[in-house]
Amino acid sequence: SAVISQKPSRDICQRGTSLTIQCQVDSQVTMMFWYRQQPGQSLTLIATANQGSEATYESGFVIDKFPISRPNLTFSTLTVSNMSPEDSSIYLCSVEDRQLETQYFGPGTRLLVL
Amino acid sequence: GENVEQHPSTLSVQEGDSAVIKCTYSDSASNYFPWYKQELGKRPQLIIDIRSNVGEKKDQRIAVTLNKTAKHFSLHITETQPEDSAVYFCAASSTGANNLFFGTGTRLTVIP
Repeated sequence: SAVISQKPSRDICQRGTSLTIQCQVDSQVTMMFWYRQQPGQSLTLIATANQGSEATYESGFVIDKFPISRPNLTFSTLTVSNMSPEDSSIYLCSVEDRQLETQYFGPGTRLLVL
Repeated sequence: GENVEQHPSTLSVQEGDSAVIKCTYSDSASNYFPWYKQELGKRPQLIIDIRSNVGEKKDQRIAVTLNKTAKHFSLHITETQPEDSAVYFCAASSTGANNLFFGTGTRLTVIP
C-alpha cells in the first residue's frame, strides 16, 4: 500500500490563526480525502481533494474555513482557517488504492486550539 | 446522504471469546463496507472489507457478513486476544472506496 506522511504531526495554535497541514504520498494516487476526528469521536469526511480542480466539500464544511489544494497526484494541503477551540481535532488525509480498491489513512495531525 | 449506525459503543470480552460488532446503513446504493481498527494515538488501519456482491468474507480470526436486504453488516472476531483491544469503525460507501461514511465506533476491550 502507499506510504502516506503528514506534517505537522501535532501543533498547538492560538485562536484566530490558521494552520496548513500537508499530506504527501509516495506514489501517484487519483483520489485523496481529508477527514476530521474530534476527541473520542468517529471520522467525518471534510472533502475530496481533486487534482487540478476545486475540492468537493461535504455538508457542513466550506471552502472558506477549510481551503484545500491538490497541485499534483502525490500531494495535498488542508488549511484550517480562523481557528477556534472547536477546531481542536485530529485531521487525517487518506488515499484510495485503485488497484486494491481500498482507502488508507495517513498518521494524522493532532491540533489543539487555545 | 448515508447514515451508518454502529453497536455496541463498548464491548468487553474475555480472552478467547468471540466479539461481534454490528452496523446498519441507510443508503441502499452503498456497495462497499470496510472495517478499520484504531489503536490509541494511531491511524485507522483497514482490517477487512466486503463488497455487495458477496455475503461473507473471512480472514483468519476475522470475518464480515453482509445482509443487503436488511442493510446491515457485522464484524466477527473469534479467539480474541489482548492485542485486539482497540476502537473499531465500520464504514459504507456507494462510490466504491471513495467517500466513506463511518459508524460511531466500538471500543473493544479483551480481558486477559
